[in-house]
Amino acid sequence: DIQMTQSPSSLSASVGDRVTITCRASQSINNYLNWYQQKPGKAPKLLIYAASSLQSGVPSRFSGSGSGTDFTLTISSLQPEDFASYYCQQSYSTPLTFGGGTKVEIK
Amino acid sequence: QDQLVQSAAEVQKPGASVKVSCKASGYSFSNYDISWVRQAPGQGLEWMGWISAHNGNTHYAQSLQGRVTMTTDTSTSTAYMELRSLRSDDTAVYYCARVLEVGASGAVGNWFDPWGQGTLVTVSS
Repeated sequence: DIQMTQSPSSLSASVGDRVTITCRASQSINNYLNWYQQKPGKAPKLLIYAASSLQSGVPSRFSGSGSGTDFTLTISSLQPEDFASYYCQQSYSTPLTFGGGTKVEIK
Repeated sequence: QDQLVQSAAEVQKPGASVKVSCKASGYSFSNYDISWVRQAPGQGLEWMGWISAHNGNTHYAQSLQGRVTMTTDTSTSTAYMELRSLRSDDTAVYYCARVLEVGASGAVGNWFDPWGQGTLVTVSS
């Protein structure tokens, strides 16, 4: 199974900050990497697919990059509604696997 | 809009079974796979498997083989996930999600959108 490791597991940031979350795969997954946002008590929401493609309706302050084993999710200017948990997910091979999550909290 | 609506929360005893439903609307149900993902309290996301709504082909996570069955009813655009021989560590929120394979950008892969609202399954004696 492909292991997905996210860092940090949590971070504190202020509104307007630039935030970067990283995700590392245990083997190369090309660009088969997706990012989701999850708020407490809610289902995950797709933000980025195929490493860098922005899902329709998602604000342009979200961006994704990377290929192979190392990926990043960047929020260019953190907004109040962005305080949530973020998960990466690989679809290179089954079983599909998720990172452990990054919780973004208010500083 | 494309939507998945799941059945209500359930409480089951250890050793029992649970069947969760996921009703699709707003899109052609048979054209997409449905995946199931679960999340134990305070934990991360675990992929359980998927089913083709077109032909019923399934692929389950090895960890659940023999205990899980995924089915679809195209006449009602509904997917089902049954989990048997429940244990306390099966307590989780269970989500269904549509599987997309080609994006507007032309990129390919497998990603989940939309998701159902989740169904809490509690296993307790």
